[in-house]
Amino acid sequence: GQQLNQSPQSMFIQEGEDVSMNCTSSSIFNTWLWYKQDPGEGPVLLIALYKAGELTSNGRLTAQFGITRKDSFLNISASIPSDVGIYFCAGQTSGSRLTFGEGTQLTVNP
Amino acid sequence: SAVISQKPSRDICQRGTSLTIQCQVDSQVTMMFWYRQQPGQSLTLIATANQGSEATYESGFVIDKFPISRPNLTFSTLTVSNMSPEDSSIYLCSVLRAHIQYFGAGTRLSVL
Repeated sequence: GQQLNQSPQSMFIQEGEDVSMNCTSSSIFNTWLWYKQDPGEGPVLLIALYKAGELTSNGRLTAQFGITRKDSFLNISASIPSDVGIYFCAGQTSGSRLTFGEGTQLTVNP
Repeated sequence: SAVISQKPSRDICQRGTSLTIQCQVDSQVTMMFWYRQQPGQSLTLIATANQGSEATYESGFVIDKFPISRPNLTFSTLTVSNMSPEDSSIYLCSVLRAHIQYFGAGTRLSVL
């Protein structure tokens, strides 16, 4: 089956620093999604990417859909304490089925 | 987006019993999904539930263990049957709207 490799598994940063995480796959996806999960909650959609090469921003977050359609990255600029959580990438095929990465646990020290 | 209500939010159950989890969405959707998230892990799809048809289960998940109902376009239930401690997980429902999956807050299940 399809697998997503997400890295890093965890990050410990100081408030104000920039963050970068990425996902790679051996398979092509039609859509890349980035979700954030806070403790005790379900994943919340941050950014959706629909076209190869697409670069999309949502406030301090920027994500890109790789040209090969097999990878994506998420950047967070000027991190703040509420950025703490687990970030998941997900690839979607035409059948609406999602394949999730293993997640990146982000800790921001004030 | 979508407003999804999932009940119960958490439960502690005895082994051998069953728990039914409910998922209600604010307006009609064609596709609903059920996921399991084991402690410290990513999300794993259990099944896809379409109204008016049998749920489609992923490899490793069977209907006898995880029966699903989808009586209408805004509601679904997942039952975790004959529970064992290995079933302790977060169970999440999601809905597909405008090609995007939106998630409920999850049900945190502990089996003793």
